[in-house]
Parts: sequence; structure tokens; C-alpha cells
Amino acid sequence: DSGVTQTPKHLITATGQRVTLRCSPRSGDLSVYWYQQSLDQGLQFLIQYYNGEERAKGNILERFSAQQFPDLHSELNLSSLELGDSALYFCASSFRSGGGAVQETQYFGPGTRLLVL
Amino acid sequence: DQQVKQNSPSLSVQEGRISILNCDYTNSMFDYFLWYKKYPAEGPTFLISISSIKDKNEDGRFTVFLNKSAKHLSLHIVPSQPGDSAVYFCAASALGQGAQKLVFGQGTRLTINP
Repeated sequence: DSGVTQTPKHLITATGQRVTLRCSPRSGDLSVYWYQQSLDQGLQFLIQYYNGEERAKGNILERFSAQQFPDLHSELNLSSLELGDSALYFCASSFRSGGGAVQETQYFGPGTRLLVL
Repeated sequence: DQQVKQNSPSLSVQEGRISILNCDYTNSMFDYFLWYKKYPAEGPTFLISISSIKDKNEDGRFTVFLNKSAKHLSLHIVPSQPGDSAVYFCAASALGQGAQKLVFGQGTRLTINP
């Protein structure tokens, strides 16, 4: 158990809909990262938040957005869903932002499996 | 543009022998490398990491070797155990960008045979 929690575990929805995925980082961690794992793309970095502020963006679609709240939990919002958005969505956390002199190990949650029908 | 590559999709090893998983990268800015293990229906679990200032890091049965000139790293597991059967991901990141994005390889499925 990494200490990172994600809800829900599974989500089934229809095209065009909007969903929210939730992540709680490990106790004491300030950074939250979101990754998408699809069958053909592997694990892809989406976005990072550090202490409530966006720190880095990866291959995140404009239909997707995220935020980190004062209690440090994070939500990933996916809107206008398409069939191709079906994937595993992982959240990870680390203590620092990782942008300083020391690299940070990221610890992953169990993921949310999203199926868009 | 795949900056981190794991060229072997699968590997089968006998229990008790050494498992060697390989990873190549193309971005010379990468300076921190990690290995994660993933079981089905679970998130990736951190195994071991190495900074570019080292060429070897060891933790119990797991050793990671880094060859910067070849842009190659490998994970050695010895002795291999049935519980090691999983998908192994290599990941890399670069310092100094004010953030930390991990770039993952496609994974290698390791099967340990009794």
C-alpha cells in the first residue's frame, strides 16, 4: 500500500459525459501527479500540482483539467468524453516538487479504470 | 517520439536464476531513473532508483546499472522468485525544470517459472 488513494476504482460512462476522478496523496506529500495508461500509449504524464499550484503539464487534452485543493487532495476532470479516453488513470505523489536539486520518487495510487461507452 | 524504450515486451526466467530487464533512453537530459513493478489491477510500485552520478545501486535482490555513454540501464533481480512475476516499467526524469515529469517505457512482462 503506497498511501495514495484514488476514487472511484471503476467508472463507466457514456460519450459526451463529464467525470471527476479524485486522489488523496500520501500524508505529508505536497506534489500530486496524474498519469494516463492506455493500451497503445503506455503510461503518459498528464499534469503535476505542487502545494495547490500547477507545476508542469504533459500530454493533457484541453477537455481535461485538474486542481489541487488546500487539503492537498486533487481532482482530475474529464469532459466531453470520447471512446478513446477509456484508460487507467493513475495519481502519484511526492514530498517536494522535484524541480530542485534533489529528484523525488513518485508513489502511485491503485488507479481509476474509466470505460467510455 | 519514444524517449524511453523497453525493447523486450516479455521475459521468461526460471525461479532462482537471474532476471535482467533492459531499458534504453534517448534524451541526454535525463538524470534520474526509476524502476516500477506493476501487478494487474494495481498501481505501479516503486522498486529502485539511480541518479546519473552513479553507475550502480543495489537494494536487496534488486540492482540497477546505469551506462550513461550507452544511454542504457538494466535491472537485475537475483535470485528470481515467483512473486516477481509482474510488468516492470523503466522511467526517467530530468532535473532543473522546476517540476518532475516521469517518462515511462512501455514495460516488460516478467514471468518466473517454477
